[in-house]
Amino acid sequence: GQQLNQSPQSMFIQEGEDVSMNCTSSSIFNTWLWYKQDPGEGPVLLIALYKAGELTSNGRLTAQFGITRKDSFLNISASIPSDVGIYFCAGQLTRLTFGEGTQLTVNP
Amino acid sequence: DTGVSQDPRHKITKRGQNVTFRCDPISEHNRLYWYRQTLGQGPEFLTYFQNEAQLEKSRLLSDRFSAERPKGSFSTLEIQRTEQGDSAMYLCASSPYVQGVHEQYFGPGTRLTVT
Repeated sequence: GQQLNQSPQSMFIQEGEDVSMNCTSSSIFNTWLWYKQDPGEGPVLLIALYKAGELTSNGRLTAQFGITRKDSFLNISASIPSDVGIYFCAGQLTRLTFGEGTQLTVNP
Repeated sequence: DTGVSQDPRHKITKRGQNVTFRCDPISEHNRLYWYRQTLGQGPEFLTYFQNEAQLEKSRLLSDRFSAERPKGSFSTLEIQRTEQGDSAMYLCASSPYVQGVHEQYFGPGTRLTVT
């Protein structure tokens, strides 16, 4: 099925470092969402973006809805060990179309 | 806990058997979605309901799959004559249908293993 291009696929960082990941699509979306998923669990919503150009923060997380409506990025500042997990972007018209995920590993 | 719940969390079945999964959405949410996720991939859309009406089905939803939401509250997903390729995590999500609000909240999933 159709999926978004999400990069990087994996990241290995030291605690305290900042992290950036992004998603691109050939299709326009009305909404971009970012989720975090731990092993064996469902995705947990982190941030939702509704307007092109919108920049939204949630604690140490910042995400932007690209002005072309075909891309989005997520930044995590001052990473901590509990940030470990898989991060997914998702574009939405009605259904969600997901990226393939970014596996984040944080070394203490 | 008022989040999305799914039952069972794990299901092991033999090829050819039928299985049924249940999803209870967040109570005020009138949209309910089913997704399937295989290892190393993002979730893929299967189908969604607005209240009791099934409004969209993916091509992934073969004729062995059927979903219902009879009273517009909980939903069931049934897979008939299971195949090994059906092994995956089945995720349910719900959202309100309010102008400008489209956030989908996921349940913990049902892990299906077909032997």
